[in-house]
Amino acid sequence: GEDVEQSLFLSVREGDSSVINCTYTDSSSTYLYWYKQEPGAGLQLLTYIFSNMDMKQDQRLTVLLNKKDKHLSLRIADTQTGDSAIYFCAESIGGGFKTIFGAGTRLFVKA
Amino acid sequence: DAMVIQNPRYQVTQFGKPVTLSCSQTLNHNVMYWYQQKSSQAPKLLFHYYDKDFNNEADTPDNFQSRRPNTSFCFLDIRSPGLGDAAMYLCATSRDEPDEQYFGPGTRLTVT
Repeated sequence: GEDVEQSLFLSVREGDSSVINCTYTDSSSTYLYWYKQEPGAGLQLLTYIFSNMDMKQDQRLTVLLNKKDKHLSLRIADTQTGDSAIYFCAESIGGGFKTIFGAGTRLFVKA
Repeated sequence: DAMVIQNPRYQVTQFGKPVTLSCSQTLNHNVMYWYQQKSSQAPKLLFHYYDKDFNNEADTPDNFQSRRPNTSFCFLDIRSPGLGDAAMYLCATSRDEPDEQYFGPGTRLTVT
Protein backbone atom coordinates (compact mmCIF):
# COMPACT_ATOMS: atom_id res chain seq x y z
CA GLY A 1 0.00 0.00 0.00
CA GLU A 2 0.90 3.63 -0.06
CA ASP A 3 2.96 4.65 2.94
CA VAL A 4 5.58 7.22 3.85
CA GLU A 5 7.45 6.72 7.09
CA GLN A 6 9.73 9.01 9.00
CA SER A 7 11.01 9.22 12.54
CA LEU A 8 8.97 11.50 14.80
CA PHE A 9 11.69 13.49 16.57
CA LEU A 10 15.21 14.79 15.98
CA SER A 11 17.26 16.97 18.30
CA VAL A 12 20.46 18.74 17.24
CA ARG A 13 22.68 21.51 18.53
CA GLU A 14 22.76 24.87 16.78
CA GLY A 15 25.46 24.88 14.10
CA ASP A 16 25.41 21.10 13.61
CA SER A 17 23.96 19.36 10.57
CA SER A 18 20.52 17.77 10.75
CA VAL A 19 19.61 14.71 8.72
CA ILE A 20 15.95 13.76 8.45
CA ASN A 21 15.19 10.40 6.89
CA CYS A 22 12.16 9.06 5.10
CA THR A 23 11.15 5.83 3.42
CA TYR A 24 8.37 5.44 0.89
CA THR A 25 6.73 2.49 -0.77
CA ASP A 26 5.50 3.52 -4.21
CA SER A 27 8.17 2.87 -6.83
CA SER A 28 6.20 4.88 -9.40
CA SER A 29 6.63 8.14 -7.48
CA THR A 30 7.54 10.94 -9.86
CA TYR A 31 8.27 13.70 -7.38
CA LEU A 32 9.40 13.56 -3.77
CA TYR A 33 9.01 16.58 -1.55
CA TRP A 34 10.08 18.06 1.73
CA TYR A 35 7.64 20.44 3.40
CA LYS A 36 8.19 22.49 6.56
CA GLN A 37 5.47 23.39 9.05
CA GLU A 38 6.02 26.03 11.71
CA PRO A 39 3.66 26.40 14.67
CA GLY A 40 0.29 27.82 13.66
CA ALA A 41 1.15 27.84 9.97
CA GLY A 42 0.42 25.69 6.96
CA LEU A 43 2.93 23.46 5.22
CA GLN A 44 5.50 25.22 3.07
CA LEU A 45 7.45 23.50 0.32
CA LEU A 46 11.17 23.49 1.09
CA THR A 47 12.49 21.52 -1.84
CA TYR A 48 11.64 18.64 -4.14
CA ILE A 49 13.48 16.13 -6.27
CA PHE A 50 12.54 14.32 -9.44
CA SER A 51 12.62 10.57 -9.20
CA ASN A 52 15.35 10.36 -11.87
CA MET A 53 17.77 12.38 -9.73
CA ASP A 54 20.07 11.17 -6.96
CA MET A 55 20.84 14.44 -5.27
CA LYS A 56 19.73 18.03 -5.18
CA GLN A 57 21.40 20.88 -3.33
CA ASP A 58 19.80 24.20 -2.52
CA GLN A 59 21.85 26.47 -0.25
CA ARG A 60 21.87 24.77 3.18
CA LEU A 61 19.61 21.96 2.04
CA THR A 62 20.76 18.71 0.45
CA VAL A 63 18.31 16.05 -0.67
CA LEU A 64 19.53 12.51 -1.32
CA LEU A 65 17.38 9.93 -3.07
CA ASN A 66 18.10 6.20 -3.11
CA LYS A 67 15.49 4.73 -5.41
CA LYS A 68 16.64 1.17 -4.90
CA ASP A 69 15.98 1.40 -1.17
CA LYS A 70 13.11 3.91 -1.55
CA HIS A 71 14.91 6.18 0.89
CA LEU A 72 14.89 9.96 0.91
CA SER A 73 16.86 12.22 3.21
CA LEU A 74 17.04 15.93 3.92
CA ARG A 75 20.27 17.38 5.28
CA ILE A 76 20.23 20.86 6.77
CA ALA A 77 23.73 22.31 7.14
CA ASP A 78 24.55 24.74 9.96
CA THR A 79 21.17 24.21 11.63
CA GLN A 80 19.75 27.33 13.26
CA THR A 81 17.10 27.77 15.97
CA GLY A 82 14.81 29.11 13.25
CA ASP A 83 14.92 25.69 11.62
CA SER A 84 12.93 24.25 14.52
CA ALA A 85 9.72 22.97 12.94
CA ILE A 86 8.02 19.82 11.68
CA TYR A 87 9.40 18.46 8.42
CA PHE A 88 7.14 16.36 6.20
CA CYS A 89 8.34 13.98 3.55
CA ALA A 90 5.85 13.43 0.71
CA GLU A 91 5.58 11.58 -2.57
CA SER A 92 3.32 12.14 -5.55
CA ILE A 93 2.03 8.88 -6.87
CA GLY A 94 0.34 7.40 -9.88
CA GLY A 95 1.15 10.37 -12.09
CA GLY A 96 -1.90 12.01 -10.60
CA PHE A 97 -2.95 14.50 -8.02
CA LYS A 98 -2.43 12.35 -4.98
CA THR A 99 0.38 13.26 -2.65
CA ILE A 100 1.08 10.98 0.30
CA PHE A 101 2.61 12.61 3.36
CA GLY A 102 4.58 11.15 6.21
CA ALA A 103 3.61 11.95 9.78
CA GLY A 104 6.37 14.54 10.07
CA THR A 105 9.66 14.77 11.96
CA ARG A 106 9.76 17.37 14.71
CA LEU A 107 13.20 19.02 14.69
CA PHE A 108 14.39 20.58 17.94
CA VAL A 109 17.42 22.85 17.71
CA LYS A 110 19.23 23.50 20.98
CA ALA A 111 21.14 26.76 21.35
CA ASP B 1 0.47 38.93 -1.78
CA ALA B 2 -0.90 35.89 -3.56
CA MET B 3 -1.90 33.36 -0.97
CA VAL B 4 -4.26 30.70 0.35
CA ILE B 5 -6.63 31.96 3.03
CA GLN B 6 -8.67 29.83 5.39
CA ASN B 7 -11.53 31.04 7.54
CA PRO B 8 -12.07 30.75 10.35
CA ARG B 9 -8.73 29.77 11.91
CA TYR B 10 -10.52 28.17 14.85
CA GLN B 11 -13.99 26.69 14.76
CA VAL B 12 -15.97 25.15 17.59
CA THR B 13 -19.09 23.20 16.76
CA GLN B 14 -21.41 20.90 18.64
CA PHE B 15 -21.72 17.20 18.05
CA GLY B 16 -24.05 16.72 15.06
CA LYS B 17 -24.28 20.41 14.15
CA PRO B 18 -23.33 21.10 10.51
CA VAL B 19 -20.25 23.22 9.97
CA THR B 20 -18.64 24.81 6.90
CA LEU B 21 -14.98 25.68 6.52
CA SER B 22 -13.87 28.13 3.89
CA CYS B 23 -10.81 28.40 1.67
CA SER B 24 -9.95 31.06 -0.88
CA GLN B 25 -6.95 31.56 -3.14
CA THR B 26 -5.54 34.44 -5.12
CA LEU B 27 -3.11 32.24 -7.07
CA ASN B 28 -5.59 31.34 -9.82
CA HIS B 29 -4.58 27.70 -9.45
CA ASN B 30 -6.52 24.93 -11.14
CA VAL B 31 -6.42 22.46 -8.29
CA MET B 32 -7.74 22.85 -4.74
CA TYR B 33 -7.34 20.20 -2.05
CA TRP B 34 -8.74 19.53 1.40
CA TYR B 35 -6.68 17.60 3.93
CA GLN B 36 -7.50 16.43 7.43
CA GLN B 37 -4.58 16.42 9.87
CA LYS B 38 -4.87 14.93 13.33
CA SER B 39 -2.27 15.47 16.03
CA SER B 40 1.13 13.93 15.17
CA GLN B 41 -0.28 12.34 12.02
CA ALA B 42 0.23 12.88 8.34
CA PRO B 43 -2.17 15.15 6.47
CA LYS B 44 -4.77 12.91 4.88
CA LEU B 45 -6.28 13.90 1.55
CA LEU B 46 -10.09 14.06 1.69
CA PHE B 47 -10.80 15.25 -1.85
CA HIS B 48 -9.68 17.67 -4.50
CA TYR B 49 -11.05 19.71 -7.39
CA TYR B 50 -9.33 20.05 -10.73
CA ASP B 51 -11.17 23.10 -11.97
CA LYS B 52 -14.81 22.00 -11.55
CA ASP B 53 -14.11 18.28 -11.53
CA PHE B 54 -14.54 16.81 -8.07
CA ASN B 55 -12.40 13.85 -6.99
CA ASN B 56 -13.27 12.08 -3.77
CA GLU B 57 -10.84 9.77 -1.99
CA ALA B 58 -12.26 6.30 -1.56
CA ASP B 59 -12.00 6.34 2.22
CA THR B 60 -13.44 9.82 2.79
CA PRO B 61 -16.61 9.48 4.89
CA ASP B 62 -19.91 10.56 3.32
CA ASN B 63 -20.22 13.05 6.17
CA PHE B 64 -17.68 15.23 4.36
CA GLN B 65 -18.74 17.20 1.30
CA SER B 66 -17.15 19.96 -0.72
CA ARG B 67 -18.21 22.77 -3.02
CA ARG B 68 -16.21 24.91 -5.40
CA PRO B 69 -18.48 27.66 -6.75
CA ASN B 70 -15.67 29.38 -8.63
CA THR B 71 -11.90 29.22 -9.16
CA SER B 72 -11.11 31.20 -6.03
CA PHE B 73 -13.26 29.53 -3.38
CA CYS B 74 -13.66 26.05 -2.02
CA PHE B 75 -15.75 24.94 0.97
CA LEU B 76 -15.63 21.90 3.21
CA ASP B 77 -18.99 20.92 4.68
CA ILE B 78 -19.21 18.48 7.56
CA ARG B 79 -22.85 17.46 7.76
CA SER B 80 -22.91 15.86 11.20
CA PRO B 81 -19.61 16.31 13.00
CA GLY B 82 -18.58 13.63 15.41
CA LEU B 83 -15.94 13.82 18.13
CA GLY B 84 -13.57 11.95 15.83
CA ASP B 85 -13.76 14.77 13.28
CA ALA B 86 -11.89 17.16 15.55
CA ALA B 87 -8.71 17.96 13.66
CA MET B 88 -6.81 20.58 11.70
CA TYR B 89 -8.25 21.01 8.20
CA LEU B 90 -5.79 22.17 5.61
CA CYS B 91 -6.63 23.67 2.24
CA ALA B 92 -4.01 23.61 -0.50
CA THR B 93 -3.77 24.62 -4.13
CA SER B 94 -1.54 23.73 -7.04
CA ARG B 95 -1.24 25.09 -10.54
CA ASP B 96 -1.41 21.64 -12.06
CA GLU B 97 -0.39 18.12 -11.22
CA PRO B 98 1.97 16.92 -9.97
CA ASP B 99 3.14 20.25 -8.74
CA GLU B 100 4.09 22.18 -5.65
CA GLN B 101 1.16 22.60 -3.30
CA TYR B 102 0.56 25.89 -1.52
CA PHE B 103 -1.08 25.46 1.86
CA GLY B 104 -3.27 27.72 3.89
CA PRO B 105 -2.69 28.06 7.66
CA GLY B 106 -5.46 25.60 8.46
CA THR B 107 -8.68 25.66 10.46
CA ARG B 108 -8.61 23.89 13.80
CA LEU B 109 -11.99 22.28 14.40
CA THR B 110 -13.16 21.38 17.89
CA VAL B 111 -16.29 19.30 18.39
CA THR B 112 -17.99 19.52 21.79
